[in-house]
Amino acid sequence: GNSVTQMEGPVTLSEEAFLTINCTYTATGYPSLFWYVQYPGEGLQLLLKATKADDKGSNKGFEATYRKETTSFHLEKGSVQVSDSAVYFCALYYQGAQKLVFGQGTRLTINP
Amino acid sequence: DVKVTQSSRYLVKRTGEKVFLECVQDMDHENMFWYRQDPGLGLRLIYFSYDVKMKEKGDIPEGYSVSREKKERFSLILESASTNQTSMYLCASSIPALGGRSSPLHFGNGTRLTVT
Repeated sequence: GNSVTQMEGPVTLSEEAFLTINCTYTATGYPSLFWYVQYPGEGLQLLLKATKADDKGSNKGFEATYRKETTSFHLEKGSVQVSDSAVYFCALYYQGAQKLVFGQGTRLTINP
Repeated sequence: DVKVTQSSRYLVKRTGEKVFLECVQDMDHENMFWYRQDPGLGLRLIYFSYDVKMKEKGDIPEGYSVSREKKERFSLILESASTNQTSMYLCASSIPALGGRSSPLHFGNGTRLTVT
């Protein structure tokens, strides 16, 4: 079936560190891939997306590249800030399903 | 900006009670969704709806039902609440997917339900 696997958290980094959160997927066909972010006390909001192989999504300094050969969509940021502390969810959409499949989420804490 | 409003932020109910969770969106979106969020399990889809009076089961519909009598409102119903339904419930809405591309989900802030 279609599924998403994220690296287990929690992840704790110091401010200005480099961030990678791994995400791999299993899907039939050519899914679209997403990263959502959930700040404390809020719902999820879309961070970035990629709809086909080799596409790079980017937003707020975060990037992720759709790698079909490794079925991955890792989230990266070169220099994290305290305000990036949140839970990050990788998700996929496969055509015809009309719904998103989410990973289990990775809690990120950035210390000043 | 799209606003998705969930009627309660926190709710405490007793086992066996009938529980209603309400969600309203203000952007005329056709699609609405109910997820539950549990640590280590991510978000799991309970039910979704493409249009008024239409509903589809998600991955974990057991113990839940939904109602969509108006386009802007999507209600989740726990017919007889149980302790294993203690969770964070998230409502979301979106426009329909076009050309095989998903459109972004807009989420409410969640309702944390505790069943004692």
